[in-house]
Amino acid sequence: SYEVTQPPSVSVSPGQTARITCSGDELPNQYSYWYQQKPGQAPVLLIYKDSARPSGIPERFSGSRSGTTVTLTISGVQAEDEAEYYCQSADSSGTYNVVFGGGTQLTVL
Amino acid sequence: QVTLRESGPALVKPTQTLTLTCTFSGFSLTTGGMCVGWIRQPPGKALEWLALIDWNDDAYFSTSLNTRVTISKDTSKNQVFLTLTNMGPEDTATYYCARNSPETDAFDFWGPGTVVTVSS
Repeated sequence: SYEVTQPPSVSVSPGQTARITCSGDELPNQYSYWYQQKPGQAPVLLIYKDSARPSGIPERFSGSRSGTTVTLTISGVQAEDEAEYYCQSADSSGTYNVVFGGGTQLTVL
Repeated sequence: QVTLRESGPALVKPTQTLTLTCTFSGFSLTTGGMCVGWIRQPPGKALEWLALIDWNDDAYFSTSLNTRVTISKDTSKNQVFLTLTNMGPEDTATYYCARNSPETDAFDFWGPGTVVTVSS
């Protein structure tokens, strides 16, 4: 079955730039989406269709794609950005199937 | 204002069938392109998509669970239902419902989640 792969953890100091990657063979053919989840809370949509931001999401969150890898970039990381981040895509090569990555824990040092 | 809320039993016994209800407001599941999905998260683990139903009553299921899961809706009551048969300890999780809109094509609004524990 189709999978997307994320690094388990990323650490950055406040004010630095964090980059979280997500890799998958279908990513060149499907949009990617990013969610932020803080402990005890439901996920929040950060990025849709690779690089679009919903209203209310700070500009420091951005998304990009290069081949089979998509990247969530957080510029000027703040302490409040410490959270789990999930990549999501879909596989429609057969029956439509939504896939989530395993999540990346962002630690702000 | 879009809201979703999950409801259902907090505890089910092994082999039982789980039925969860997602009650939503602020949008209509008769709008073209609108969908509602179910996603779960075992304790300390990643999100796992389970099922999705769209405005046209087409349903899609996780390939790993598609023989155990069903999804349906009652548009007059703004509700979506998830049924998962033959529950086991590995199904212990927080279950979320979420809206998938044609504007974002993403799960852009989520319910707070409901915790389901499978235990005898």
